[in-house]
Amino acid sequence: DADVTQTPRNRITKTGKRIMLECSQTKGHDRMYWYRQDPGLGLRLIYYSFDVKDINKGEISDGYSVSRQAQAKFSLSLESAIPNQTALYFCATSARADTQYFGPGTRLTVL
Amino acid sequence: KNQVEQSPQSLIILEGKNCTLQCNYTVSPFSNLRWYKQDTGRGPVSLTIMTFSENTKSNGRYTATLDADTKQSSLHITASQLSDSASYICVVSALAAGNKLTFGGGTRVLVKP
Repeated sequence: DADVTQTPRNRITKTGKRIMLECSQTKGHDRMYWYRQDPGLGLRLIYYSFDVKDINKGEISDGYSVSRQAQAKFSLSLESAIPNQTALYFCATSARADTQYFGPGTRLTVL
Repeated sequence: KNQVEQSPQSLIILEGKNCTLQCNYTVSPFSNLRWYKQDTGRGPVSLTIMTFSENTKSNGRYTATLDADTKQSSLHITASQLSDSASYICVVSALAAGNKLTFGGGTRVLVKP
C-alpha cells in the first residue's frame, strides 16, 4: 500500500461548490503539507501542519482551509470553488525538516 | 524573494544519450538542495539531497552537482533510459522556520528510442 494516499484522484466540480480533498499517511510523520501545481510553475505551498495542534498558512492560502484530524490525516477544503483553483493538488509528509514524501495527487477541475 | 529557475523547460534526447539539467537559485539563507523526479500523473520522488558543503551526489545514473558560491546546481543523467522520461524538479530549502521549500518549475525530459 502507498505510504501517502489522496482521495479523490480526480474531481470535476462547478463554481461555488464546496470541495474537500483528503490525505492519509502511514509513514508516522508529524509534518504534513498541501501544495498546488500549475503547468509550468513550481509547486506552491497552501498550508502546512507540524502536528495535530499546529496549522500554518503557506504562500497561497486564500480561498482554502485545512483540518488536521489526526496525525495521519490532513484535509484541504475549498469553501467556494472558483475556476482558477483548477490545478493538481499534492499532499506531502515529512519527519521534521527531512525529505518530503508526496502523494499521487488530485486533479481538480472547476467549471 | 526566494526563487528557483530551471533550464531548459523541456528537452528530448535519444535513449542511451546523456543530458544535463540546470538549476539557479536565489534562496537565502541556504539549507539544502534537492532534485525530485516526477513521473506523469504521480507525485515527486526525491533523487538527491545536497547541503552547503557537498559538491556532488550520485544516485545510480543520476549525478547532481552544487556550486554554493554561484548558487547553481545541475543534474546529469547518464545513459538515459525510456523510464527517465519525467519532469525533474529542483527544490531549495531555506534556513528558516519550517525549512520552507522553494520549487523550480521543472524540466520535462522525454527520452525517445
